[in-house]
Amino acid sequence: DTAVSQTPKYLVTQMGNDKSIKCEQNLGHDTMYWYKQDSKKFLKIMFSYNNKELIINETVPNRFSPKSPDKAHLNLHINSLELGDSAVYFCASSQDRWERGEETQYFGPGTRLLVL
Amino acid sequence: GENVEQHPSTLSVQEGDSAVIKCTYSDSASNYFPWYKQELGKRPQLIIDIRSNVGEKKDQRIAVTLNKTAKHFSLHITETQPEDSAVYFCAASDPGGGADGLTFGKGTHLIIQP
Repeated sequence: DTAVSQTPKYLVTQMGNDKSIKCEQNLGHDTMYWYKQDSKKFLKIMFSYNNKELIINETVPNRFSPKSPDKAHLNLHINSLELGDSAVYFCASSQDRWERGEETQYFGPGTRLLVL
Repeated sequence: GENVEQHPSTLSVQEGDSAVIKCTYSDSASNYFPWYKQELGKRPQLIIDIRSNVGEKKDQRIAVTLNKTAKHFSLHITETQPEDSAVYFCAASDPGGGADGLTFGKGTHLIIQP
């Protein structure tokens, strides 16, 4: 069984559209994350979410918003898509970001977003 | 915030030789340092990690060393094999320190020459 899963795997859309990417983890972890990997393979944290506490990387535009319907899910909503949003988006989870020894992060398979 | 520098960006070694990738970090509060391997089109996979109370950790052909004073850590792969070819990322974090997630280096493309 896949520990961290994402849908869709590929997403091609027009500039200006609004889209969502879903993420689910079945590890019972308390913390979930979203990362963006650009065309140069650089991985950058966007959000982390733990027990209703959301920490946002200050460089992330407010067009991006994570939503967590429950502990196992952290979905990413993107409004008014721009060309520069094209990237691979990875979801990840960890047992507990506060506890030493439980901070290991497990990544989902990624969603390849292409904005035309 | 944390800044992680990683070198080299590309490393080509002969099969069977050793490979070393080096990273430095800026935030002395960081205390967790994982290494991820990413094959083409795949997710990053954790291969080894080290915490700041340990200077070295080994797992078969892979080892990581940490120098907290100098704020640098390194990945060592011995007896390299073709399946070791991938992009390797170092990262640093301060779990519970208010900063969120992992700060990654820019990656090293490791090429194993047969």
